[in-house]
Amino acid sequence: EPEVTQTPSHQVTQMGQEVILRCVPISNHLYFYWYRQILGQKVEFLVSFYNNEISEKSEIFDDQFSVERPDGSNFTLKIRSTKLEDSAMYFCASSGRGFGEAFFGQGTRLTVV
Amino acid sequence: KQEVTQIPAALSVPEGENLVLNCSFTDSAIYNLQWFRQDPGKGLTSLLLIQSSQREQTSGRLNASLDKSSGRSTLYIAASQPGDSATYLCAVSYGNNRLAFGKGNQVVVIP
Repeated sequence: EPEVTQTPSHQVTQMGQEVILRCVPISNHLYFYWYRQILGQKVEFLVSFYNNEISEKSEIFDDQFSVERPDGSNFTLKIRSTKLEDSAMYFCASSGRGFGEAFFGQGTRLTVV
Repeated sequence: KQEVTQIPAALSVPEGENLVLNCSFTDSAIYNLQWFRQDPGKGLTSLLLIQSSQREQTSGRLNASLDKSSGRSTLYIAASQPGDSATYLCAVSYGNNRLAFGKGNQVVVIP
């Protein structure tokens, strides 16, 4: 069964460093998303991406964050100059159509020390 | 702003009992509602998607209803099993294709 895959599963980084979280969405999907979940809190929307551009972003997704689809299969989230409060589980998701069923990856646990 | 609330936050039931999980949302202008399962430290597994025009959706032992006008959805799990122990998340699609999540119903099924 097709699935969204994320790498790495866990990343530890020092405050101020840049990190890139990688995702391979389901192959025929066109809509891509990043969400995050701080421990004990709700899953929060970060950004949606379609047709090689950002469709919508939340107030969390500031200039520190960027997304890219560098080739036909990968979708990345870059966090520049990480802060302690960026520590969270980051989920990538994809869907085959707008407002369609969203399929999530297993997440990348980011720990900023 | 869309707010999603799930009640109860946690519940324990003996094996074999039916589970009833509630979700409410503040803005009825949604495109669909999705129920997910999350195991500790893991990702989100999609269980059911209900389009805004639908009243319910069924998959095996799972049945989800949607009352869009009153901002409510209920997930029923029939004949619960220990393997159903997990956190169940409700999410509504609104705005420009974003999901708003509830905090979840943490379920423990006691053998």
